[in-house]
Amino acid sequence: DAKTTQPPSMDCAEGRAANLPCNHSTISGNEYVYWYRQIHSQGPQYIIHGLKNNETNEMASLIITEDRKSSTLILPHATLRDTAVYYCIVSHDSGYSTLTFGKGTMLLVSP
Amino acid sequence: DGGITQSPKYLFRKEGQNVTLSCEQNLNHDAMYWYRQDPGQGLRLIYYSQIVNDFQKGDIAEGYSVSREKKESFPLTVTSAQKNPTAFYLCASSIDGTGEQNIQYFGAGTRLSVL
Repeated sequence: DAKTTQPPSMDCAEGRAANLPCNHSTISGNEYVYWYRQIHSQGPQYIIHGLKNNETNEMASLIITEDRKSSTLILPHATLRDTAVYYCIVSHDSGYSTLTFGKGTMLLVSP
Repeated sequence: DGGITQSPKYLFRKEGQNVTLSCEQNLNHDAMYWYRQDPGQGLRLIYYSQIVNDFQKGDIAEGYSVSREKKESFPLTVTSAQKNPTAFYLCASSIDGTGEQNIQYFGAGTRLSVL
């Protein structure tokens, strides 16, 4: 599976949009981009995933560049409860695949 | 409620002792996973199972054992051969581990410490 690169930490003011970047320059054509988050001392939570097109759900939006070498997770109105470590993972869609969790980005949302 | 239940929440192991961590799911998922997380680190895959009576080693399987006798259950045993077992252990499941069915749902974790 392709490797991802994320900034170790980011800050965001409550109520503002949080934009979390992820580089995956070696992604192949059949690999999905997944985002998870982990609130302190809890299990990770699935947020969103995409292949080529931008995706939106009730939690977040995922913007994938046309060349698919990078993506951005957008939390449109961050709250204090969004403070967590956010993981960007790529995983291929053909056959069985496990997920590789890196160190992620620690997002701190402040009042 | 549907989901993944891990027990116990906290566990203490004595020197030379084997301990077993429980993971149960009622999501009717075929695939199940065990991860280890050390402080400030990401998750590392210990073992995974695609289907009942079958399991595969992950990246750090040494010192651990698993069984998958029932679809709902995937217990992890930390053996005395695991010399540094103190960590946060997470269990997950997914529909079948392929393509979009690989979205994994996690339990709340078990924190294991050595006495």
